[in-house]
Amino acid sequence: QQQVKQSPQSLIVQKGGIPIINCAYENTAFDYFPWYQQFPGKGPALLIAIRPDVSEKKEGRFTISFNKSAKQFSLHIMDSQPGDSATYFCAASINAGGTSYGKLTFGQGTILTVHP
Amino acid sequence: AAGVIQSPRHLIKEKRETATLKCYPIPRHDTVYWYQQGPGQDPQFLISFYEKMQSDKGSIPDRFSAQQFSDYHSELNMSSLELGDSALYFCASSLMGISGNTIYFGEGSWLTVV
Repeated sequence: QQQVKQSPQSLIVQKGGIPIINCAYENTAFDYFPWYQQFPGKGPALLIAIRPDVSEKKEGRFTISFNKSAKQFSLHIMDSQPGDSATYFCAASINAGGTSYGKLTFGQGTILTVHP
Repeated sequence: AAGVIQSPRHLIKEKRETATLKCYPIPRHDTVYWYQQGPGQDPQFLISFYEKMQSDKGSIPDRFSAQQFSDYHSELNMSSLELGDSALYFCASSLMGISGNTIYFGEGSWLTVV
């Protein structure tokens, strides 16, 4: 059972476009929602993260929108560049104290291609 | 800045053999996490350690074991290897209470079981 469902599986945009990747979660106990970027053969790198007490967070060209009632969150990449071409994973964890925030449940990933 | 170091980067083993992966966390980080990522799959949490004690356990097979040592490095031991164990194994580290819940991933160790 996939606790975090991510869509689309792949996405192609032109340079300057605004790709949007969506995630939905089942477990209402999740309270930490990071997005990771992964290039081939590399480890995931944290892009941006949000907690359910805010509805939007922006860092540079990356924005997370969060809808707690719908149990959904999404990543928007403004002014996308070819260098943004990578696999993007949403994730969720429960911050129950200790190191539990690092026990991440990942979505299935979205392969983003940004054409020049 | 120093990152999470994993070794070996690539490993080929035969079925039923044993493999050991090593992870050296970012200096001063006290927590280590292990993840397994199959081809085209999302990373799956295996196990974590804080201050040399196991802190959380995920979908780690009984054939696998791990520990964290006094210098905070960690090793993942995999025995009776199966073809399905072929995957990219990530180690990540963090400093509990600091760094805003950020965990930092290494570049992974590719295990191929033939």
